[in-house]
Amino acid sequence: GQSLEQPSEVTAVEGAIVQINCTYQTSGFYGLSWYQQHDGGAPTFLSYNALDGLEETGRFSSFLSRSDSYGYLLLQELQMKDSASYFCAVREDKIIFGKGTRLHILP
Amino acid sequence: NAGVTQTPKFRILKIGQSMTLQCTQDMNHNYMYWYRQDPGMGLKLIYYSVGAGITDKGEVPNGYNVSRSTTEDFPLRLELAAPSQTSVYFCASSYSAGAEETQYFGPGTRLLVL
Repeated sequence: GQSLEQPSEVTAVEGAIVQINCTYQTSGFYGLSWYQQHDGGAPTFLSYNALDGLEETGRFSSFLSRSDSYGYLLLQELQMKDSASYFCAVREDKIIFGKGTRLHILP
Repeated sequence: NAGVTQTPKFRILKIGQSMTLQCTQDMNHNYMYWYRQDPGMGLKLIYYSVGAGITDKGEVPNGYNVSRSTTEDFPLRLELAAPSQTSVYFCASSYSAGAEETQYFGPGTRLLVL
Protein backbone atom coordinates (compact mmCIF):
# COMPACT_ATOMS: atom_id res chain seq x y z
CA GLY A 1 0.00 0.00 0.00
CA GLN A 2 0.87 3.63 -0.06
CA SER A 3 2.10 5.55 2.96
CA LEU A 4 3.86 8.79 3.73
CA GLU A 5 5.42 9.60 7.08
CA GLN A 6 6.32 13.07 8.28
CA PRO A 7 6.59 14.48 11.80
CA SER A 8 3.37 15.93 13.14
CA GLU A 9 5.03 19.00 14.64
CA VAL A 10 8.36 20.82 14.52
CA THR A 11 9.43 23.88 16.51
CA ALA A 12 12.23 26.26 15.55
CA VAL A 13 13.47 29.74 16.35
CA GLU A 14 13.08 32.75 14.10
CA GLY A 15 16.15 33.18 11.89
CA ALA A 16 17.19 29.54 12.26
CA ILE A 17 17.10 26.61 9.83
CA VAL A 18 14.62 23.74 10.03
CA GLN A 19 14.33 20.47 8.13
CA ILE A 20 11.07 18.59 7.66
CA ASN A 21 11.50 14.97 6.66
CA CYS A 22 9.22 12.76 4.60
CA THR A 23 9.54 9.05 3.96
CA TYR A 24 7.26 7.27 1.56
CA GLN A 25 6.24 3.83 0.48
CA THR A 26 4.50 3.61 -2.88
CA SER A 27 3.99 1.06 -5.62
CA GLY A 28 5.00 3.55 -8.29
CA PHE A 29 6.74 6.90 -8.06
CA TYR A 30 7.01 9.94 -10.28
CA GLY A 31 8.09 12.61 -7.85
CA LEU A 32 7.80 14.28 -4.45
CA SER A 33 6.08 17.60 -3.93
CA TRP A 34 5.84 19.98 -1.00
CA TYR A 35 2.92 22.25 -0.17
CA GLN A 36 2.46 24.95 2.45
CA GLN A 37 -0.84 25.67 4.15
CA HIS A 38 -1.54 28.51 6.54
CA ASP A 39 -4.37 28.21 9.03
CA GLY A 40 -7.69 28.68 7.29
CA GLY A 41 -6.05 28.83 3.88
CA ALA A 42 -5.62 26.59 0.89
CA PRO A 43 -2.46 24.60 0.19
CA THR A 44 0.05 26.31 -2.08
CA PHE A 45 2.77 24.62 -4.08
CA LEU A 46 6.37 25.00 -2.89
CA SER A 47 8.56 22.56 -4.77
CA TYR A 48 8.79 19.36 -6.77
CA ASN A 49 11.59 16.79 -7.04
CA ALA A 50 11.54 14.08 -9.68
CA LEU A 51 15.26 13.31 -9.57
CA ASP A 52 17.70 12.77 -6.73
CA GLY A 53 19.31 15.86 -5.32
CA LEU A 54 18.61 19.29 -3.98
CA GLU A 55 16.31 21.89 -5.53
CA GLU A 56 16.66 25.43 -4.22
CA THR A 57 14.07 28.19 -4.43
CA GLY A 58 15.00 31.18 -2.37
CA ARG A 59 14.92 30.36 1.34
CA PHE A 60 13.35 26.96 0.67
CA SER A 61 15.13 23.87 -0.60
CA SER A 62 13.85 20.36 -1.19
CA PHE A 63 15.83 17.15 -1.38
CA LEU A 64 15.01 13.71 -2.74
CA SER A 65 16.69 10.34 -2.50
CA ARG A 66 14.75 7.83 -4.57
CA SER A 67 16.86 4.89 -3.41
CA ASP A 68 16.01 5.70 0.23
CA SER A 69 12.37 6.70 -0.49
CA TYR A 70 13.13 9.84 1.47
CA GLY A 71 12.95 13.55 1.01
CA TYR A 72 13.06 16.70 3.06
CA LEU A 73 12.11 20.35 2.95
CA LEU A 74 14.69 22.78 4.28
CA LEU A 75 13.63 26.24 5.37
CA GLN A 76 16.35 28.81 6.04
CA GLU A 77 16.30 32.19 7.74
CA LEU A 78 12.97 31.34 9.30
CA GLN A 79 10.41 34.12 9.50
CA MET A 80 7.26 34.24 11.61
CA LYS A 81 5.20 34.07 8.42
CA ASP A 82 6.63 30.58 7.81
CA SER A 83 4.46 29.29 10.65
CA ALA A 84 2.19 26.90 8.77
CA SER A 85 1.60 23.26 7.98
CA TYR A 86 3.80 21.61 5.38
CA PHE A 87 2.68 18.59 3.39
CA CYS A 88 4.73 16.22 1.31
CA ALA A 89 2.94 14.48 -1.53
CA VAL A 90 3.92 11.69 -3.87
CA ARG A 91 2.59 11.11 -7.32
CA GLU A 92 1.76 7.66 -8.55
CA ASP A 93 -1.22 7.53 -10.89
CA LYS A 94 -2.65 10.21 -8.62
CA ILE A 95 -1.27 12.39 -5.85
CA ILE A 96 -1.23 11.16 -2.25
CA PHE A 97 -0.64 13.70 0.53
CA GLY A 98 1.01 13.13 3.87
CA LYS A 99 -0.74 14.19 7.09
CA GLY A 100 1.33 17.34 7.34
CA THR A 101 3.90 18.84 9.69
CA ARG A 102 2.90 21.79 11.80
CA LEU A 103 5.81 24.25 12.02
CA HIS A 104 5.88 26.47 15.12
CA ILE A 105 8.31 29.38 15.10
CA LEU A 106 9.44 31.00 18.32
CA PRO A 107 10.58 34.64 18.39
CA ASN B 1 -7.24 35.02 -14.38
CA ALA B 2 -9.23 33.85 -11.36
CA GLY B 3 -7.52 30.44 -11.03
CA VAL B 4 -9.67 27.92 -9.15
CA THR B 5 -12.93 29.18 -7.66
CA GLN B 6 -15.25 27.32 -5.31
CA THR B 7 -18.78 28.03 -4.14
CA PRO B 8 -20.17 28.21 -1.55
CA LYS B 9 -17.53 29.24 0.99
CA PHE B 10 -19.51 27.86 3.89
CA ARG B 11 -22.63 25.74 4.24
CA ILE B 12 -24.61 24.08 7.01
CA LEU B 13 -26.60 20.99 6.04
CA LYS B 14 -29.02 18.83 7.95
CA ILE B 15 -28.51 15.08 7.97
CA GLY B 16 -29.99 13.56 4.83
CA GLN B 17 -29.94 16.75 2.78
CA SER B 18 -28.11 16.95 -0.51
CA MET B 19 -25.98 19.64 -2.09
CA THR B 20 -23.50 20.33 -4.86
CA LEU B 21 -20.14 21.96 -4.29
CA GLN B 22 -19.12 23.94 -7.33
CA CYS B 23 -15.58 24.18 -8.71
CA THR B 24 -14.42 26.10 -11.76
CA GLN B 25 -10.96 26.71 -13.18
CA ASP B 26 -9.99 29.09 -15.96
CA MET B 27 -6.47 27.80 -16.63
CA ASN B 28 -7.49 25.19 -19.21
CA HIS B 29 -6.14 22.44 -16.98
CA ASN B 30 -6.89 18.86 -17.88
CA TYR B 31 -6.69 17.43 -14.37
CA MET B 32 -9.06 18.34 -11.58
CA TYR B 33 -9.33 16.97 -8.05
CA TRP B 34 -11.56 17.03 -5.01
CA TYR B 35 -10.05 16.66 -1.54
CA ARG B 36 -11.44 16.76 1.95
CA GLN B 37 -9.46 17.90 4.94
CA ASP B 38 -10.60 17.10 8.45
CA PRO B 39 -9.33 19.27 11.33
CA GLY B 40 -5.61 18.79 11.95
CA MET B 41 -5.32 16.23 9.21
CA GLY B 42 -3.93 15.99 5.71
CA LEU B 43 -5.77 16.00 2.43
CA LYS B 44 -7.66 12.95 1.29
CA LEU B 45 -8.51 12.54 -2.37
CA ILE B 46 -12.22 11.98 -3.03
CA TYR B 47 -12.43 11.95 -6.83
CA TYR B 48 -10.33 13.16 -9.69
CA SER B 49 -10.70 13.74 -13.41
CA VAL B 50 -8.13 13.59 -16.18
CA GLY B 51 -10.33 15.39 -18.69
CA ALA B 52 -13.88 16.15 -19.69
CA GLY B 53 -16.04 13.04 -19.47
CA ILE B 54 -13.49 11.05 -17.44
CA THR B 55 -13.61 10.66 -13.67
CA ASP B 56 -12.14 8.18 -11.21
CA LYS B 57 -12.33 7.40 -7.52
CA GLY B 58 -9.73 8.50 -5.00
CA GLU B 59 -9.15 7.31 -1.44
CA VAL B 60 -12.53 8.24 0.07
CA PRO B 61 -15.25 8.32 -2.63
CA ASN B 62 -18.15 6.85 -0.63
CA GLY B 63 -21.03 9.26 -0.21
CA TYR B 64 -19.95 11.49 -3.09
CA ASN B 65 -20.44 11.76 -6.82
CA VAL B 66 -18.80 13.87 -9.50
CA SER B 67 -19.22 14.75 -13.13
CA ARG B 68 -16.97 16.51 -15.65
CA SER B 69 -18.97 17.72 -18.62
CA THR B 70 -16.58 20.58 -19.45
CA THR B 71 -12.88 21.26 -18.97
CA GLU B 72 -13.66 24.15 -16.64
CA ASP B 73 -16.17 22.66 -14.20
CA PHE B 74 -15.93 19.77 -11.76
CA PRO B 75 -18.88 19.74 -9.32
CA LEU B 76 -18.98 17.45 -6.27
CA ARG B 77 -22.36 16.08 -5.22
CA LEU B 78 -23.34 14.94 -1.71
CA GLU B 79 -26.57 12.98 -1.93
CA LEU B 80 -27.40 12.12 1.69
CA ALA B 81 -25.34 14.28 4.00
CA ALA B 82 -23.96 12.63 7.14
CA PRO B 83 -22.11 14.17 10.12
CA SER B 84 -18.97 12.29 8.99
CA GLN B 85 -18.92 14.53 5.94
CA THR B 86 -18.30 17.61 8.04
CA SER B 87 -15.00 18.84 6.65
CA VAL B 88 -13.28 21.42 4.49
CA TYR B 89 -13.44 20.56 0.80
CA PHE B 90 -10.77 21.72 -1.60
CA CYS B 91 -10.90 21.59 -5.35
CA ALA B 92 -7.62 21.65 -7.27
CA SER B 93 -6.45 21.54 -10.85
CA SER B 94 -3.23 20.84 -12.70
CA TYR B 95 -2.11 20.95 -16.31
CA SER B 96 -0.80 17.41 -16.44
CA ALA B 97 0.14 14.47 -14.28
CA GLY B 98 3.75 14.35 -15.33
CA ALA B 99 6.89 15.99 -14.13
CA GLU B 100 6.73 19.46 -12.64
CA GLU B 101 3.08 18.99 -11.88
CA THR B 102 1.76 21.80 -9.72
CA GLN B 103 -1.69 21.63 -8.24
CA TYR B 104 -3.55 24.89 -7.85
CA PHE B 105 -6.09 24.90 -5.07
CA GLY B 106 -9.32 26.77 -4.64
CA PRO B 107 -10.09 28.60 -1.36
CA GLY B 108 -12.16 25.71 0.02
CA THR B 109 -15.73 25.08 1.10
CA ARG B 110 -16.41 24.58 4.79
CA LEU B 111 -19.26 22.14 5.30
CA LEU B 112 -20.99 21.43 8.59
CA VAL B 113 -23.53 18.60 8.74
CA LEU B 114 -25.82 18.63 11.78
